[in-house]
Amino acid sequence: DAGVTQSPTHLIKTRGQQVTLRCSPKSGHDTVSWYQQALGQGPQFIFQYYEEEERQRGNFPDRFSGHQFPNYSSELNVNALLLGDSALYLCASSPATSTYNEQFFGPGTRLTVL
Amino acid sequence: DQQVKQNSPSLSVQEGRISILNCDYTNSMFDYFLWYKKYPAEGPTFLISISSIKDKNEDGRFTVFLNKSAKHLSLHIVPSQPGDSAVYFCAASNINAGGTSYGKLTFGQGTILTVHP
Repeated sequence: DAGVTQSPTHLIKTRGQQVTLRCSPKSGHDTVSWYQQALGQGPQFIFQYYEEEERQRGNFPDRFSGHQFPNYSSELNVNALLLGDSALYLCASSPATSTYNEQFFGPGTRLTVL
Repeated sequence: DQQVKQNSPSLSVQEGRISILNCDYTNSMFDYFLWYKKYPAEGPTFLISISSIKDKNEDGRFTVFLNKSAKHLSLHIVPSQPGDSAVYFCAASNINAGGTSYGKLTFGQGTILTVHP
């Protein structure tokens, strides 16, 4: 049973560019959350998708947007990249029917903005 | 505003001894707490959790204690093993009133645990 997968593993962009990161949830999971982890910090919640809709959003600007597909996979898009967007981007999945908020994480995508 | 804090950036322990990792929170709405372990180049892995209706939860070598009045929780690892060396994150959440998985996890900054042979 494949866990949460993310692509690409690493990405280098320049300021002002746009980037798309992809995530496939764990089998049986239909809820996907995205987190940004800056160096030396804990993951920060960006948003969560369920039934192809954004259900909850953290304190991130509108440059960060997402999408969830009918097969529950998800994309994170970041427009007008800034140097400060350099981070590890983590995708986490969970089943909507779970009683508790135990989320399963992928290995992440390391984004470097030059 | 850091709602979940891990004030010890690092902890070094001898193999076989107890490791105690601490976490404090400020938001009284948090009612479910989780510990994750993270190795380099991997995503965080769920370790153990505790609901606010309990004060202790145990799973093998791992025990989490919750002191609601102090808004403090701790993770005890006994005995510590070199393979436990990793970054440990404390996380907190609000459980949906309907009891289904919902909402964000708020993480602390992490504590680097090193277990020496």
